Amino acid sequence: AQSVTQPDIHITVSEGASLELRCNYSYGATPYLFWYVQSPGQGLQLLLKYFSGDTLVQGIKGFEAEFKRSQSSFNLRKPSVHWSDAAEYFCAVGPGRGGADGLTFGKGTHLIIQP
Amino acid sequence: DTGVSQDPRHKITKRGQNVTFRCDPISEHNRLYWYRQTLGQGPEFLTYFQNEAQLEKSRLLSDRFSAERPKGSFSTLEIQRTEQGDSAMYLCASSFRSGIADTQYFGPGTRLTVL
Repeated sequence: AQSVTQPDIHITVSEGASLELRCNYSYGATPYLFWYVQSPGQGLQLLLKYFSGDTLVQGIKGFEAEFKRSQSSFNLRKPSVHWSDAAEYFCAVGPGRGGADGLTFGKGTHLIIQP
Repeated sequence: DTGVSQDPRHKITKRGQNVTFRCDPISEHNRLYWYRQTLGQGPEFLTYFQNEAQLEKSRLLSDRFSAERPKGSFSTLEIQRTEQGDSAMYLCASSFRSGIADTQYFGPGTRLTVL
């Protein structure tokens, strides 16, 4: 079965510092990978996605992620965080086993920004 | 493009009552998904539609849950005889499927509290 692991439940970063959120996946074929962000009480906003091609993908709000097949990872990075980046971040993989197209999400990483 | 909308945003009900949620997808999107998210967890896939056909159901979708998408436009998710364990955020997403993969865009969610 496919799965996504986000090893860090909470991460605290100072404003202006760089950020890296980890994501590891288990999937039997070429994965489609996504990062979403969720503010409290809100739905999920797509930050970026990887389907194929260049393994370094750029997203919105200055985020980027790198797909590393050998490490089964899709880590999210940002060179300089802003207080408004404080939120919950979810990594997801799809499509599902047997053709089901629901995404499988990790449990999320809660990002705290220190002033 | 007005985005995915969900109604209501919040619902409080007593155990044993029936509830119904509505999702309006982005216009021209042919796929619609339902997810459930409990506190501290990532969203979990429940079911999805392509146009009006319900193509996949997760084992999480018990017999008390039913979803419809008449005419391939909006969708409803009904929970009968609610239980306290049904308390969660119910998220809807839509996408336009073309080719191999699609990108899901999420609505703001309906938060259900069962007393």
